[in-house]
Amino acid sequence: KNQVEQSPQSLIILEGKNCTLQCNYTVSPFSNLRWYKQDTGRGPVSLTIMTFSENTKSNGRYTATLDADTKQSSLHITASQLSDSASYICVVSAVGTGGGSQGNLIFGKGTKLSVKP
Amino acid sequence: KAGVTQTPRYLIKTRGQQVTLSCSPISGHRSVSWYQQTPGQGLQFLFEYFSETQRNKGNFPGRFSGRQFSNSRSEMNVSTLELGDSALYLCASSLVRKGAEAFFGQGTRLTVV
Repeated sequence: KNQVEQSPQSLIILEGKNCTLQCNYTVSPFSNLRWYKQDTGRGPVSLTIMTFSENTKSNGRYTATLDADTKQSSLHITASQLSDSASYICVVSAVGTGGGSQGNLIFGKGTKLSVKP
Repeated sequence: KAGVTQTPRYLIKTRGQQVTLSCSPISGHRSVSWYQQTPGQGLQFLFEYFSETQRNKGNFPGRFSGRQFSNSRSEMNVSTLELGDSALYLCASSLVRKGAEAFFGQGTRLTVV
C-alpha cells in the first residue's frame, strides 16, 4: 500500500535554531517528492520538488534531501524564524496509469512546527 | 499572475443540505484537483478534472461530485451533508503533465452543524 509517514508529528523550537523534519514513504513506482508549507487556515505552498535523480534541493533556508534507495526524505530548516511556524507536508507522486497529473499524490499527515521567541 | 481562487472562504450548513464550492485555476492551468483536509486524516484526494472530464477519483462516496467548465473553472458539490463533512476543502491547479507542480488555493472552510 502506498503510504507517506512523517515524523515528528509536532515540534517546538526556539527562534534561530535549526530543525530537521523526516518523511518515509512506501510509494512505487516513484515519480517525485514534494514538501509543502501550510500556514493555519491557508492552502499549502510548495517549498521543493525532487525527482528520483535529485539528492538535495534548497529554497532559501529550506533544504530538502532525498534518498531514493531507503525511501527517505528530510527537510532541514536553518536559523528558524517565527514565520516558519506552520505545518510541513511531505507529498509523494506515484507514476500512475490515470490520465491526470495530480491523482497519484500521496500525502503525509504533516509535522506541525512551532517556533517560539 | 493571479493564484488559485476559491469561493466562498467560509460556509456553515446544516445536516442534509447540499453545498457547491467554486475554484478558479491559475491562467493557463487546465488541471484542477480537489482535496479534503481534516485534522485526523490530513489531505485526501477527491478528484481531478481537465478538459471538462473527471480523470481521477479518490475514495469518497457519491455524495461528492464535481464538474469543470470550458474555461477550466471547477465546482465541487456535496449533497446530503453530514457532520463528518466539516473540513477545509482545497482546490489545486496545475499544468496537464505527469508530476506537474500543484498550486493550491486558500481553501473553503465548511462547517456542518
